[in-house]
Amino acid sequence: GEDVEQSLFLSVREGDSSVINCTYTDSSSTYLYWYKQEPGAGLQLLTYIFSNMDMKQDQRLTVLLNKKDKHLSLRIADTQTGDSAIYFCAVQGGGADGLTFGKGTHLIIQP
Amino acid sequence: NAGVTQTPKFQVLKTGQSMTLQCAQDMNHEYMSWYRQDPGMGLRLIHYSVGAGITDQGEVPNGYNVSRSTTEDFPLRLLSAAPSQTSVYFCASSYSWESGGPTDTQYFGPGTRLTVL
Repeated sequence: GEDVEQSLFLSVREGDSSVINCTYTDSSSTYLYWYKQEPGAGLQLLTYIFSNMDMKQDQRLTVLLNKKDKHLSLRIADTQTGDSAIYFCAVQGGGADGLTFGKGTHLIIQP
Repeated sequence: NAGVTQTPKFQVLKTGQSMTLQCAQDMNHEYMSWYRQDPGMGLRLIHYSVGAGITDQGEVPNGYNVSRSTTEDFPLRLLSAAPSQTSVYFCASSYSWESGGPTDTQYFGPGTRLTVL
């Protein structure tokens, strides 16, 4: 089945850019998602990218997709303390068996 | 729209007890699913449904039952709770599931935190 890998932790200074990386195995994946989970809360959809796109920008968020290397990244510009959360990469393979999630990256903001 | 709602927010059970986690959505979504989230494991799919009367197993279905009698509701039943079922449970829904388009995007409820002693 699909396998999605992420680093568990990322520490950045406030005001710097954060880049969270994700790799996946299924080349037939159609949509790829980034979800944000704040402490004690549910999952909030941040953004998504269709597999025929290379890049998507939405305000401070930039998603880059390298389909050849099966690599997805999320860049957060001007990282703020409110960005402190767990970020999950998730891949939709098509069909009814749902999303495959990575284990999540804890984004830690240093003052 | 309330989106996806889940009740209860927190629950403590003793081993062997049964209970039902409730999930409802008011977006007329056909697809609904249940995930569990465990530390260091990400989210894993338990069961899903592609419409009223249709359910199927996900990655980790053992110990759980589901039914889908209406489009809006998708309850998850624990028949005999075990400590291994201590987890955070998320319900999600989407308008479609195999369109290959953005209507497949899943929206999540706030979660139910379950502890089994």
